[in-house]
Amino acid sequence: GDSVTQTKGPVTLSEGTSLTVNCSYETKQYPTLFWYVQYPGEGPQLLFKVPKANEKGSNRGFEATYDKGTTSFHLQKASVQESDSAVYYCVLVLSNNRIFFGDGTQLVVKP
Amino acid sequence: DPKIIQKPKYLVAVTGSEKILICEQYLGHNAMYWYRQSAKKPLEFMFSYSYQKLMDNQTASSRFQPQSSKKNHLDLQITALKPDDSATYFCASSQEQGGAEQFFGPGTRLTVL
Repeated sequence: GDSVTQTKGPVTLSEGTSLTVNCSYETKQYPTLFWYVQYPGEGPQLLFKVPKANEKGSNRGFEATYDKGTTSFHLQKASVQESDSAVYYCVLVLSNNRIFFGDGTQLVVKP
Repeated sequence: DPKIIQKPKYLVAVTGSEKILICEQYLGHNAMYWYRQSAKKPLEFMFSYSYQKLMDNQTASSRFQPQSSKKNHLDLQITALKPDDSATYFCASSQEQGGAEQFFGPGTRLTVL
């Protein structure tokens, strides 16, 4: 079936260290992949999306490559800040418009 | 001005009662969605509507019924409330269904006693 799996949190890092949140997906369709971020007390908001395989998306220093070969879309950032503390969701949207959110990964960045 | 309005912000209900959660979007979008987020479960997709028609329903219970009286409205009626229904319910919208960015409202926090 169709699904998306991401790193189970919480992930706790010190400011200035690097981040990787793994995201793997399963589908026989041609998905569009998204990363959303949710700050405390707010609804999720788009971080970036990548509609095509083998392309990279980026925003605010975060980036991810849509790897069709390994069916992965890992989120990375070279140097996290305390303000990056939030919950990050990997999202799969299929060609039949079905939507699958990952379980979310809580990131805690300590100063 | 807020682009997606959800009312009320907080809601307390008793078990067995019925409530309606309101969602209005002023983004001119054609697709609208409902999600649920609780302490026990992460963000769960519930429904999607496109041009006021139900497109996808991933909610098992018929106690949850979306209602679209206008293009920019998608309310959520919940009947026979249970304590397990306690959660924050988010409404979202996008220009079109599918691969478009979704914009989320601030949520309605429902507590069922």
